[in-house]
Parts: sequence; C-alpha cells; structure tokens
Amino acid sequence: KQEVTQIPAALSVPEGENLVLNCSFTDSAIYNLQWFRQDPGKGLTSLLLIQSSQREQTSGRLNASLDKSSGRSTLYIAASQPGDSATYLCAVRGSNDYKLSFGAGTTVTVRA
Amino acid sequence: DGGITQSPKYLFRKEGQNVTLSCEQNLNHDAMYWYRQDPGQGLRLIYYSQIVNDFQKGDIAEGYSVSREKKESFPLTVTSAQKNPTAFYLCASADTFSTDTQYFGPGTRLTVL
Repeated sequence: KQEVTQIPAALSVPEGENLVLNCSFTDSAIYNLQWFRQDPGKGLTSLLLIQSSQREQTSGRLNASLDKSSGRSTLYIAASQPGDSATYLCAVRGSNDYKLSFGAGTTVTVRA
Repeated sequence: DGGITQSPKYLFRKEGQNVTLSCEQNLNHDAMYWYRQDPGQGLRLIYYSQIVNDFQKGDIAEGYSVSREKKESFPLTVTSAQKNPTAFYLCASADTFSTDTQYFGPGTRLTVL
C-alpha cells in the first residue's frame, strides 16, 4: 500500500523567504504526483501535476520536482507572501489504478 | 460557470440516521471521487467511479454507499453503520483521459449530535 509522508507538519517563515516543502512516497510505481493547496474549511485547489516521466513542473512562483527512484517530490515557492499561508498536500496516483494517496499536509504560515 | 458543487455545506445527523451528501459537476469529467478528511490527517478515499453505473470501494468504504446514475452526479450516503461519521467530506472529479487533475468541491462538514 502506498504511504505518503510530508515533513514538516507545519512551517512558519517571514515574508519574502523561499519555501521548500517535502513529500516522500514508498512505492515508486506511480502514474503522477499532484500538489494541492487547501485554505481552512475549504476544498482543495490543484497547483501542479507532474507525470511520472517528468522531472519538474513550473507555474509562476511555484516549482515542483520529482525523483521517482528515491520516492521524493519537493515543492518550491519563491518569494513567499502572506497570501501563501495555507496547507499544502501532495498526492500520488498509482500506476495500476485511478486512486490518489494523500499525505497529511504541511501547514504554512507566512509572517508579514 | 464550470465546477463542482456540494450540498449542504453543514449537516447534522442524529444517531441512527442515514444522511445523503450531494455532489454535482458540470465539467464533463468521467471520474468522480469521495474523500473523508479528519483533523491533522490526509484525505482518505471512500468510493470512486470511473463511469456511469459503476463504482469501486476505496480504503474506508464501510458504512458508506454511493450511486452513479448520471455522469454529473455522485451522491454519498452515510449510513447508521458508520460509527464515527463526524468529518469533512470532499468530492472531486477528473478527466482521466486528459490532464487527470482532480478538481475538488467546497466540502460538506458532517457532525453527529
């Protein structure tokens, strides 16, 4: 069974600092990996999706890398802003089904 | 406006009652999913459906039931057999033939009185 871990569980940084969020997974036979953002009491918003054949994806200030062989992905957020405060979750889809396995998330606070 | 809607936003259930959570999408997505989220935990998959009139159990299906009679709709019933139903329930959909990105609804918070 796929296990997804996100460390740390919480992170607090001053505005302008770059954010580095980590995600690890136990089974490297994945189809894709997705990063989501969740604001308190809300649904999830997709940020980036990386296919298993890709090494990274970029969108604006966000960059996500994938190292399938070591079972790791990293989400970088450049020049953080208070509006980036949220919980960030990563999720992995297995290569043999349509299910996503989620990590517990990293809650980020960006201090003004 | 394209998207996923869930209703109600808040739901209160008495012991022994069945309740049904609504999920509708107008994105023409083939796949739909139900997740449960508890504080401090990641999302756990309850049921998912790839096509109309077909669905599969996820990791925590006991005490829940679903139907997929229409492509746009995937309601979830929380039965009295679910012993600890208080949680935040999220519905999602995806076009698995295209981007495969999952799009989420705003969620329903269920509380057992």
